[in-house]
Amino acid sequence: GENVEQHPSTLSVQEGDSAVIKCTYSDSASNYFPWYKQELGKRPQLIIDIRSNVGEKKDQRIAVTLNKTAKHFSLHITETQPEDSAVYFCAAILTGGGNKLTFGTGTQLKVEL
Amino acid sequence: GAVVSQHPSRVICKSGTSVKIECRSLDFQATTMFWYRQFPKQSLMLMATSNEGSKATYEQGVEKDKFLINHASLTLSTLTVTSAHPEDSSFYICSASSPGRSVLTDTQYFGPGTRLTVL
Repeated sequence: GENVEQHPSTLSVQEGDSAVIKCTYSDSASNYFPWYKQELGKRPQLIIDIRSNVGEKKDQRIAVTLNKTAKHFSLHITETQPEDSAVYFCAAILTGGGNKLTFGTGTQLKVEL
Repeated sequence: GAVVSQHPSRVICKSGTSVKIECRSLDFQATTMFWYRQFPKQSLMLMATSNEGSKATYEQGVEKDKFLINHASLTLSTLTVTSAHPEDSSFYICSASSPGRSVLTDTQYFGPGTRLTVL
């Protein structure tokens, strides 16, 4: 089965700096990679996703890159703000037919003033 | 669109009792629903996958007789924790997907979660 590793487990940045979270996956067949933001006690919220036929995707201050050869994908947050503080999870899935999402272990991001 | 609700949001029960948690897709038909458990400061752990009208598929190590899952309609799945014990205390989150809603992906839409505390 799929295995997703995520680093770092905690990340502290100053407001305005960039934050990068990295994930690796094991199953080369996986073709869809969503990123979720979860605030304490709340549901995971999809913030960005990327498919295997794309190398990079950007949405305002958030971007995701994918290296299929190396089986790496990363989340980049620029100009971080205190409200970006949360736990971020990467995930991987082979789409089609209700397949299972495999989550990374999560990164606690803290944006300090 | 793509709203998933869960009820109750929080439940406290005595050890040995059973608790039922409902997961509903409000504005779409969910052919597949997933149940996760999340312990503090940990990732989401998939417990089971349920498809409407068929038996749930449980992940390794999850007791199917303890965690009863019913997916009787395309908008409702229920998780019943039977004979709950303190170690079952956790945050239970459901998600729903519908391949027809998002053609190329199986995007999962998460419910708000249910905090279960077993005394």
